[in-house]
Amino acid sequence: KAGVTQTPRYLIKTRGQQVTLSCSPISGHRSVSWYQQTPGQGLQFLFEYFSETQRNKGNFPGRFSGRQFSNSRSEMNVSTLELGDSALYLCASRHTGVGQVTEAFFGQGTRLTVV
Amino acid sequence: AQSVTQPDIHITVSEGASLELRCNYSYGATPYLFWYVQSPGQGLQLLLKYFSGDTLVQGIKGFEAEFKRSQSSFNLRKPSVHWSDAAEYFCAVGDTGGFKTIFGAGTRLFVKA
Repeated sequence: KAGVTQTPRYLIKTRGQQVTLSCSPISGHRSVSWYQQTPGQGLQFLFEYFSETQRNKGNFPGRFSGRQFSNSRSEMNVSTLELGDSALYLCASRHTGVGQVTEAFFGQGTRLTVV
Repeated sequence: AQSVTQPDIHITVSEGASLELRCNYSYGATPYLFWYVQSPGQGLQLLLKYFSGDTLVQGIKGFEAEFKRSQSSFNLRKPSVHWSDAAEYFCAVGDTGGFKTIFGAGTRLFVKA
């Protein structure tokens, strides 16, 4: 069974630009979450999607957005990039329904560098 | 609010020595607990999980963890560390709404020869 796939693995963008990151979950997983990881802040929850609906959102500005498609693939978008957005962005998928707690399976991440 | 505390930012152990990484959680109900490991520049890999039942859980790579409700702890242990265990370790608690996993700040493990 293929794991969680994130593309691209590395990205360099200029301040003010926007970026879209992609995540393909494990087959059959309908929940996709996104996390931002930086040395100073650690792992911070961005948002979670289940069956194309955003169920929860972390404390990030509106420049960070996401969506999920009918095949459970997810994208996150960051507009008007700032230097502080440089981070490893991790996607995780879970096989879960409402009220279920299951383990998250992570992709290898997208390393975003803003210059 | 749910939270996870890993008191040790980094730990150094000698190869072959035993290891214990500490984790304390704050959660109102029965917690769903996880330990993940991350190698540099990589994603997180699940080591083990506790949902219910036996409080001593076995994981991959020879790791185990013990859930102690009275101490709100879920410490990770390994009897003999290998150089390849050098990585960052994250303790996490699962939200019973099923919506997100809350991670601790991580403990970086260094292994010396």
